[in-house]
Amino acid sequence: GQQVMQIPQYQHVQEGEDFTTYCNSSTTLSNIQWYKQRPGGHPVFLIQLVKSGEVKKQKRLTFQFGEAKKNSSLHITATQTTDVGTYFCNIWGSQGNLIFGKGTKLSVKP
Amino acid sequence: KAGVTQTPRYLIKTRGQQVTLSCSPISGHRSVSWYQQTPGQGLQFLFEYFSETQRNKGNFPGRFSGRQFSNSRSEMNVSTLELGDSALYLCASSGGPYNEQFFGPGTRLTVL
Repeated sequence: GQQVMQIPQYQHVQEGEDFTTYCNSSTTLSNIQWYKQRPGGHPVFLIQLVKSGEVKKQKRLTFQFGEAKKNSSLHITATQTTDVGTYFCNIWGSQGNLIFGKGTKLSVKP
Repeated sequence: KAGVTQTPRYLIKTRGQQVTLSCSPISGHRSVSWYQQTPGQGLQFLFEYFSETQRNKGNFPGRFSGRQFSNSRSEMNVSTLELGDSALYLCASSGGPYNEQFFGPGTRLTVL
């Protein structure tokens, strides 16, 4: 079935370093959403990308949608301890269901 | 607006028992989805209800079922529990501008 691959699975960084997570699909996507789940918490919606090549920024977070609309990335500049958590992408499946990537777990060492 | 609420927050059951989880969506949201979250499999979609009708279903056995009431509140039932059903069960309602999911705090189910 349709799926979205997310890499890396884990990322450990020193505070102040940058971080990037990637989502890849074998099919062209109508849109892609990103969520963040803090440890012990629940996923919280961050952003949705719709247009080919779209780039959106939220403070230190930069979200990008590939030109072919088959991949997306989330980049965090100068990580802080508050960025700790798991970042998920999700897409709409062909049957209208939401498909989440496995997530990238980010840990930040102060 | 109040967020999505789920009850109970924690549950311990034994194999073979059944369990019912409850979810109240954000007021005005008519779509409710259920997810199972485990360390190994991540977030997996169970089913979605909209206006009391199941609109989408994930790839889970028939032991997992759900329903939605006229006030949009939803319940999820798991019968004949197995050890592998131990997980965090998340409910989400949608209705924002991006049709994004608003998740509840989840129910942590442990099957012994």
